[in-house]
Amino acid sequence: GAVVSQHPSRVICKSGTSVKIECRSLDFQATTMFWYRQFPKKSLMLMATSNEGSKATYEQGVEKDKFLINHASLTLSTLTVTSAHPEDSSFYICSACPSALVYEQYFGPGTRLTVT
Amino acid sequence: AQSVTQPDIHITVSEGASLELRCNYSYGATPYLFWYVQSPGQGLQLLLKYFSGDTLVQGIKGFEAEFKRSQSSFNLRKPSVHWSDAAEYFCAVANTNAGKSTFGDGTTLTVKP
Repeated sequence: GAVVSQHPSRVICKSGTSVKIECRSLDFQATTMFWYRQFPKKSLMLMATSNEGSKATYEQGVEKDKFLINHASLTLSTLTVTSAHPEDSSFYICSACPSALVYEQYFGPGTRLTVT
Repeated sequence: AQSVTQPDIHITVSEGASLELRCNYSYGATPYLFWYVQSPGQGLQLLLKYFSGDTLVQGIKGFEAEFKRSQSSFNLRKPSVHWSDAAEYFCAVANTNAGKSTFGDGTTLTVKP
């Protein structure tokens, strides 16, 4: 149980284009999902908290107009990187929390984004 | 503000040897603590967690961790390491109000044959 998927696993896009990453909880409902960014050899940096039915809460320094988050249902959250630049290249990981245990996270396998 | 320190950036052990990865945390209330493992190019897998009760917690893959409030530590241990344990290990503490977790910088484990 507690499986989280991400799609795509890898994506390459050109500068200026937008990329959408999906995060799905496959066998449980997730009121809360988190989006992280991980640089090589570095820890996870929380970007935003995604709550179903409400606007995402962004961490300080994360541009909400650049990283659009939509939590469309209890099993799906999407992260759209708009007008991507090479510096947005990174490993993006989502996690989903079972509704009753908001601090217990289950992680997706990650999405490797490369912007050329 | 909560924080997590993993003092060891990189640890190398021989296969079959014992392992201890250190984790120190800072949190104002009773912490919820986690250890995760990450293989290259993958997401994080939960090894074990501590919420309350017995301070020695057992996890998957033969790992265990001990919560020591007096030392603000939650060290991860394994009595005999396997080559497949080579990975990145992250300790995390959760803010029980907001649900957000803070992660340490990770410890890279290399296993020698």
